[in-house]
Amino acid sequence: GESVGLHLPTLSVQEGDNSIINCAYSNSASDYFIWYKQESGKGPQFIIDIRSNMDKRQGQRVTVLLNKTVKHLSLQIAATQPGDSAVYFCAENLDNYGQNFVFGPGTRLSVLP
Amino acid sequence: EAGVAQSPRYKIIEKRQSVAFWCNPISGHATLYWYQQILGQGPKLLIQFQNNGVVDDSQLPKDRFSAERLKGVDSTLKIQPAKLEDSAVYLCASSFPSNEQFFGPGTRLTVL
Repeated sequence: GESVGLHLPTLSVQEGDNSIINCAYSNSASDYFIWYKQESGKGPQFIIDIRSNMDKRQGQRVTVLLNKTVKHLSLQIAATQPGDSAVYFCAENLDNYGQNFVFGPGTRLSVLP
Repeated sequence: EAGVAQSPRYKIIEKRQSVAFWCNPISGHATLYWYQQILGQGPKLLIQFQNNGVVDDSQLPKDRFSAERLKGVDSTLKIQPAKLEDSAVYLCASSFPSNEQFFGPGTRLTVL
């Protein structure tokens, strides 16, 4: 079902620390997942993706972990910087053509100086 | 490379009025999407085009919302008549050939 949330979950971290943002997805048949970053006044921006045949994928300062058993995704950001402050969304792909995504409710990351 | 362009950036209307949003996708992107993002929530897909054909409009409230992409490039999304609950950011995105969708800055609609 759809998540309805008027108040975004917020994660506050100290600059330089690692951040872990979690996401529970809804459909066990989903086979492709993307993490997006959305800064205020802008559209979502692609960060990293992962397919269901993988458990882990690394990018520059970011790592995505996928646990299909419990339908859980996490995004790890190493050495968090002020520019990482944004809302982060996970999106799951629900169709075979790979273009119909359902977005989660989002988590606001605040980086403290 | 130019990104996805949207206009206007902001729009304020009264309920029962009509409004239209415009999107110009990245050149060469065959797939175009319109999303509605209500404050505090993730984007929700309204409609997806492949070239000028509709792929998915299952979540588009067709009694008041309409969208077109006549020449397979630019697209318009219209709301007629608007309701208070239509207040949201309307995001346009495009993609080709990968799954990565590139989003525009969105149009923030306020219905009074």
